[in-house]
Amino acid sequence: GENVEQHPSTLSVQEGDSAVIKCTYSDSASNYFPWYKQELGKRPQLIIDIRSNVGEKKDQRIAVTLNKTAKHFSLHITETQPEDSAVYFCAASLGTGTASKLTFGTGTRLQVTL
Amino acid sequence: ETGVTQTPRHLVMGMTNKKSLKCEQHLGHNAMYWYKQSAKKPLELMFVYNFKEQTENNSVPSRFSPECPNSSHLFLHLHTLQPEDSALYLCASSGGLAGARAGELFFGEGSRLTVL
Repeated sequence: GENVEQHPSTLSVQEGDSAVIKCTYSDSASNYFPWYKQELGKRPQLIIDIRSNVGEKKDQRIAVTLNKTAKHFSLHITETQPEDSAVYFCAASLGTGTASKLTFGTGTRLQVTL
Repeated sequence: ETGVTQTPRHLVMGMTNKKSLKCEQHLGHNAMYWYKQSAKKPLELMFVYNFKEQTENNSVPSRFSPECPNSSHLFLHLHTLQPEDSALYLCASSGGLAGARAGELFFGEGSRLTVL
């Protein structure tokens, strides 16, 4: 089955700096790669996703890159703000149809300090 | 409000108790999921239901018994649990209507389970 590894497990940056979180996956057939953000005591929520037919996607201060050959993808947050502090999870799956099985990484705890 | 509600939010039970977790979604989704979230571990998929039919049982011990009476409701029945089963149990749904990103999971707030 799919295996997703995520690094680093914790990341501390100063407000305004950039943050990068990296994930690798094992199943070359995986073609959908979402990122979820979980604030303390809250539910995980999708913040951005990318499909294997594109190499990069951007949404305001957040961007994801995908390298299919190397089987890794990354989340980039620019101009970090305190409200970006949360745990971020990457995931991978084959397809996006109903009841698709997402395999999650272990999470990265991002702390944005003033 | 994301449309996925879970009850109870907190549950403490002994190893010999029988309890149930409930999940309800108001998003018109066809698929529902149970995930287990433990400290320093990835979100672990437990069960998947698609149109009320179980499509995935991820090698979950039989002391966890899911039930999906319809596409809007999902239960997780618990009996003779172990202390290592203490975790946050998250319900999710997907397969949404127009406007939802394909494949997006909508999670509930979770049920924090403590097994004594």
